[in-house]
Amino acid sequence: EVQLLESGGGLVQPGGSLRLSCAASGLTFRNYGMTWVRQAPGKGLEWVSFISDSGDITYYADSVKGRFTISRDNSKNTLYLQMNSLRAEDTAIYYCAKDLKFFDIWGQGTMVAVSS
Amino acid sequence: QPVLTQSSSASASLGSSVKLTCTLSSGHSNYIIAWHQQQPGKAPRYLMKLESSGSYNKGSGVPDRFSGSTSGADRYLTISNLQSEDEADYYCETWDSKGIFGGGTKLTVL
Repeated sequence: EVQLLESGGGLVQPGGSLRLSCAASGLTFRNYGMTWVRQAPGKGLEWVSFISDSGDITYYADSVKGRFTISRDNSKNTLYLQMNSLRAEDTAIYYCAKDLKFFDIWGQGTMVAVSS
Repeated sequence: QPVLTQSSSASASLGSSVKLTCTLSSGHSNYIIAWHQQQPGKAPRYLMKLESSGSYNKGSGVPDRFSGSTSGADRYLTISNLQSEDEADYYCETWDSKGIFGGGTKLTVL
């Protein structure tokens, strides 16, 4: 069974940092690009970032560019999202998803709350 | 870049059918989209990829009650024989240099 499992969420103060992880199993992780999508409380889905299968191509939403960094370790089947200079508006559930688009596999999400 | 427009809410009776719409902005009527379902308190779930031709490919385990169709810039998700578990938010999604989601439709099963 293909599974994506996020971790690393929590409560952080404005201006702080957090690193999210997404552990993949049941698929050949190195063959797929991966995406982060977030959902603020009571709101819709927002695309955040993408990384190619080899990690050499990355894309970011304007709202996080310069503050967030996506990366991956194919030897560990794990995707990461380093989040710096966090703001209240970054408060959301963060999901990892398989592929560049038309995400056919989603993780269960990890909650990030930015508050003093 | 395209904008995806969805009605904020829809409702239909148990056992009936409902057709949800996702409209692509002008000049983007040929875009492929995907439909995702998000039940309350759960992660999104992929339903299908839907092309401008109207052909669609459903995800693993998606019931036959779910189907897709197209008319011009409109992309439809039809759910037949509505069940209580179909009460959820439904999002359409596409890509153009970045991921794009519609605002979502909250479906209530009466």
